[in-house]
Amino acid sequence: SQTIHQWPATLVQPVGSPLSLECTVEGTSNPNLYWYRQAAGRGLQLLFYSIGIDQISSEVPQNLSASRPQDRQFILSSKKLLLSDSGFYLCAWSVRGGAEKLFFGSGTQLSVL
Amino acid sequence: QKEVEQNSGPLSVPEGAIASLNCTYSDRVSQSFFWYRQYSGKSPELIMSIYSNGDKEDGRFTAQLNKASQYVSLLIRDSQPSDSATYLCAVNEDTGRRALTFGSGTRLQVQP
Repeated sequence: SQTIHQWPATLVQPVGSPLSLECTVEGTSNPNLYWYRQAAGRGLQLLFYSIGIDQISSEVPQNLSASRPQDRQFILSSKKLLLSDSGFYLCAWSVRGGAEKLFFGSGTQLSVL
Repeated sequence: QKEVEQNSGPLSVPEGAIASLNCTYSDRVSQSFFWYRQYSGKSPELIMSIYSNGDKEDGRFTAQLNKASQYVSLLIRDSQPSDSATYLCAVNEDTGRRALTFGSGTRLQVQP
């Protein structure tokens, strides 16, 4: 069966510090991979999605970036965090070419202070 | 911008009642529709998917889709306190974007 791992679960970072969140998927090949962000009491905002290694689409201009160094690994990064980067970050995967059911990791609660 | 709209709630229903959650979407070419349940502080969990007009039942859950009116709904029968959560509607816009657009969610409270 497929599993998705996301870490860390919580993170408190000062403004201006770097960020690296990692997500890996097991039990499937060639998945689509996604990063969403959820602000407190809000819906999910798509940040990045990837249909393959080095194929990453950015949805929202911001100080975040994403990389996919391996087929089942997706990394979200920032060189300098802003207060507005606080939120609940969710990694998700779907079957490539499927009806796009998304399956989410457990999430990272990021607080930028 | 394509949108998915939900009433934020809270929707409060007594235990054992039917909870009705609604969602409207703006993009007529949308093809796939999903309902996720999200408990506070947790990640969303897929509970229903629907692709064609009509009703789809799975246990106590029924998803209803009306593409002509551009709405999708979720009925929860025999509501339980454990159903108290935020329910997110998600739409695949079938634009080649390969990602779901989510509504902001409806918070459901089931009163024991």
